[in-house]
Amino acid sequence: GAGVSQSPRYKVAKRGQDVALRCDPISGHVSLFWYQQALGQGPEFLTYFQNEAQLDKSGLPSDRFFAERPEGSVSTLKIQRTQQEDSAVYLCASSSEPSGGATDTQYFGPGTRLTVL
Amino acid sequence: QKEVEQNSGPLSVPEGAIASLNCTYSDRGSQSFFWYRQYSGKSPELIMFIYSNGDKEDGRFTAQLNKASQYVSLLIRDSQPSDSATYLCAVNKAAGNKLTFGGGTRVLVKP
Repeated sequence: GAGVSQSPRYKVAKRGQDVALRCDPISGHVSLFWYQQALGQGPEFLTYFQNEAQLDKSGLPSDRFFAERPEGSVSTLKIQRTQQEDSAVYLCASSSEPSGGATDTQYFGPGTRLTVL
Repeated sequence: QKEVEQNSGPLSVPEGAIASLNCTYSDRGSQSFFWYRQYSGKSPELIMFIYSNGDKEDGRFTAQLNKASQYVSLLIRDSQPSDSATYLCAVNKAAGNKLTFGGGTRVLVKP
């Protein structure tokens, strides 16, 4: 009866390395979101999937960030050529409703803490 | 101006007192409003949501929404030390269902 899971929980990367962060949403959840949370700040939206379709990627900070959800379940957020400013907690959330559910609840995973040295 | 604004705190309240948290938002098209609690090093967990003007109560928590003033608040009655956390206000816009968060208010409940 799992919630949203994410792996790895912690990732240390050297500047310039590529990283891949995984999210397993709650089974059957249609919508999947990625957020970035800097220390002491609220989460900021990165991108949104409805099933396998990426419907909104307006929050991705640069073209070094790429997300996919090829089979409509597990999602991967990839960051190429990491920079120090990418250091943050990356949160994944899922919800059962498709876009437009105004009161739909998003359930968050534990996050991946990325540190770029 | 940030889209969703909260006082960062810390808001210090004695055990048993009422904690009052405030949040303002700029987009009049916002439809739904969420309060999340986040313990240090943990992920946000939903406390409650509200989408109609007025009050909504759930246990020790009451959310209040005033769309005309673009203001939403959260009251925590009979505050307990376990309520010490950061409280995040989030707004759901009409399209896309993404949440826009405020910076959070840190609450400290002292025994």
